[in-house]
Amino acid sequence: AQKVTQAQTEISVVEKEDVTLDCVYETRDTTYYLFWYKQPPSGELVFLIRRNSFDEQNEISGRYSWNFQKSTSSFNFTITASQVVDSAVYFCALSPYSSASKIIFGSGTRLSIRP
Amino acid sequence: DAGVTQSPTHLIKTRGQQVTLRCSPKSGHDTVSWYQQALGQGPQFIFQYYEEEERQRGNFPDRFSGHQFPNYSSELNVNALLLGDSALYLCASSPWGAGAYNEQFFGPGTRLTVL
Repeated sequence: AQKVTQAQTEISVVEKEDVTLDCVYETRDTTYYLFWYKQPPSGELVFLIRRNSFDEQNEISGRYSWNFQKSTSSFNFTITASQVVDSAVYFCALSPYSSASKIIFGSGTRLSIRP
Repeated sequence: DAGVTQSPTHLIKTRGQQVTLRCSPKSGHDTVSWYQQALGQGPQFIFQYYEEEERQRGNFPDRFSGHQFPNYSSELNVNALLLGDSALYLCASSPWGAGAYNEQFFGPGTRLTVL
C-alpha cells in the first residue's frame, strides 16, 4: 500500500508555543519524495518542503523544521514559536517513484494558533 | 509571472449535469495535474496531462475526463454529476523535463457544489 497517515486531525496551541505535526508514510518504493503543504482558508496549497528518500538530513527554515526518519517511516514538521498566521491545514504527501508525478496526500492536520 | 490560474472560482450544478473546469499553468510549465479535495480530506489525484495526452490516472470513473491544449492549458470535464462530486478541484502545474519530481505549483481551486 502507498499511503500517508496524519493521525492528528486538529491541534490548538497558544501563540509562541512550539508544535509538531506528525506524518507517517507507507510505500514499497525505495525511491520517493516527501512533501509538506500548507492550505490557508483561501484554499490554495502552498509548498513548504520536498525531501527525497536518500536524504535524511533534517532541515530548518526559519521557524520551520523537518525531521525525516526512514527507520520509522516518519516525516514530522515542527513550528517553533508559533504565530497566529501559522493557522491553516497542513498536509504531508508522498510521491513514489513507481507513480511518477502522482502525489498521495494525507488527510491533513488543522492547526489553530490562539493569540 | 502569473501562477496557476483556475476558472471559475465557484460553480453550482444539479445532479446529472455536466461541468467543465479550466486551468492555465504557470509560465514555463507544460504538465498539468488535477486533484479532487472533498471537505475535510486531502487532495486526491485524478489525472495528469502532458503533450496533450493523459499520462497517469488515479482511481476515478470515466465520468471524469480531461483535455490539454497546445498552449498547455487544460480542462477537466465531469459528466452525470453526483452529489459526491461536490469538492474543491485543484489544478497543479510543473515542468516535465527533468523527471517526475519537479515541484508542483497549485492553483486556488474551483469549488464545485452539486445540488
